[in-house]
Amino acid sequence: DAKTTQPPSMDCAEGRAANLPCNHSTISGNEYVYWYRQIHSQGPQYIIHGLKNNETNEMASLIITEDRKSSTLILPHATLRDTAVYYCIVRVGAGTNFGNEKLTFGTGTRLTIIP
Amino acid sequence: DAGVTQSPTHLIKTRGQQVTLRCSPKSGHDTVSWYQQALGQGPQFIFQYYEEEERQRGNFPDRFSGHQFPNYSSELNVNALLLGDSALYLCASTPTGVYTGELFFGEGSRLTVL
Repeated sequence: DAKTTQPPSMDCAEGRAANLPCNHSTISGNEYVYWYRQIHSQGPQYIIHGLKNNETNEMASLIITEDRKSSTLILPHATLRDTAVYYCIVRVGAGTNFGNEKLTFGTGTRLTIIP
Repeated sequence: DAGVTQSPTHLIKTRGQQVTLRCSPKSGHDTVSWYQQALGQGPQFIFQYYEEEERQRGNFPDRFSGHQFPNYSSELNVNALLLGDSALYLCASTPTGVYTGELFFGEGSRLTVL
């Protein structure tokens, strides 16, 4: 799986959009970008994933650059409950069967929402 | 619909002892994976069970073993505990079939080895 690089920490004001960057310059053509987050003392929670098109769900938006070497997770209106560690993960992804459950987590970005 | 449940939530052991952690997957899920998360680090993949067999394994010694039961629940066993085994142990489940990319994690079992 390709390696990812994320800033160790970020702050964002409550109510503003939080933009979390991730670099994955060695990503392969069949690798997806996944985002998970881990709120203190809880298990990681899936947020969103994408291959090359931008994606949006009820939690966030994922913007992937055209060359796929970087991406940005956007939380449109951050709340205090969004304070967490956010992990960007790249791997062969959705649609295939066995072997997809192994995720390689880095140390992520610790996002702090400021009141 | 209960999610992934793990037990115990916290436990303390001493070096050299053995520990068993338990996991019940989300309803409808038949594949269970285990992760170890040391303080300040991201989770690290230990192994994965499907149809009562270990299907994949990460870079962990043989002291780490597991089991999956016919009802898909799973156990993680760690023998000859070391101080470095102190960590949060996470269980995640997924259904077999088309994989959407989403692992469902439990809250974890926090193991302290003294």
